[in-house]
Amino acid sequence: DVKVTQSSRYLVKRTGEKVFLECVQDMDHENMFWYRQDPGLGLRLIYFSYDVKMKEKGDIPEGYSVSREKKERFSLILESASTNQTSMYLCASSLTSGGKVEQYFGPGTRLTVT
Amino acid sequence: DQQVKQNSPSLSVQEGRISILNCDYTNSMFDYFLWYKKYPAEGPTFLISISSIKDKNEDGRFTVFLNKSAKHLSLHIVPSQPGDSAVYFCALSRDNYGQNFVFGPGTRLSVLP
Repeated sequence: DVKVTQSSRYLVKRTGEKVFLECVQDMDHENMFWYRQDPGLGLRLIYFSYDVKMKEKGDIPEGYSVSREKKERFSLILESASTNQTSMYLCASSLTSGGKVEQYFGPGTRLTVT
Repeated sequence: DQQVKQNSPSLSVQEGRISILNCDYTNSMFDYFLWYKKYPAEGPTFLISISSIKDKNEDGRFTVFLNKSAKHLSLHIVPSQPGDSAVYFCALSRDNYGQNFVFGPGTRLSVLP
């Protein structure tokens, strides 16, 4: 079974702090993703990465950066946390093969910025 | 501009009957279409996917139908079970590689015993 793990389930940070969210997948997937989920808005793509050291902006990259130094690990960085970044953050990895795509999510990190 | 719509925020179905969840989109360039189930306080669980070259894919109780001309995607669950009660999201890939996904807002399914 594919396993995607996230470093924390719950996190509370203060405004202005630098925040690191870590994600690890164990299935050698090329693609990894960071989303945030907010009530009424569904899941919105922040950044994705299709290879080591490669990244692409999603729909809402402002205020975030990412790092992918190893294939299995994808980090989301909030350079200076703000209250509007309070949200559920979901990491995912995916495989595209033979005309088929499957994307698997981690359990999520509920971040509160006070 | 909402590219992906799930027009029913909620749906209630009797146990054993069919659940039909719908998803409509505006951009004809989507290549891959996925369905997810999400329980509270958990990440979404991948259910089933379909590529744009097909119009149907089946996996156990779950069948996904794609009508490209109508830009419409649906998920059928037969028979519905109480454990299927969750929020269901459709997700569409905006590229050929299954990388750049856009999600619908979700439909909450309640299966009544």
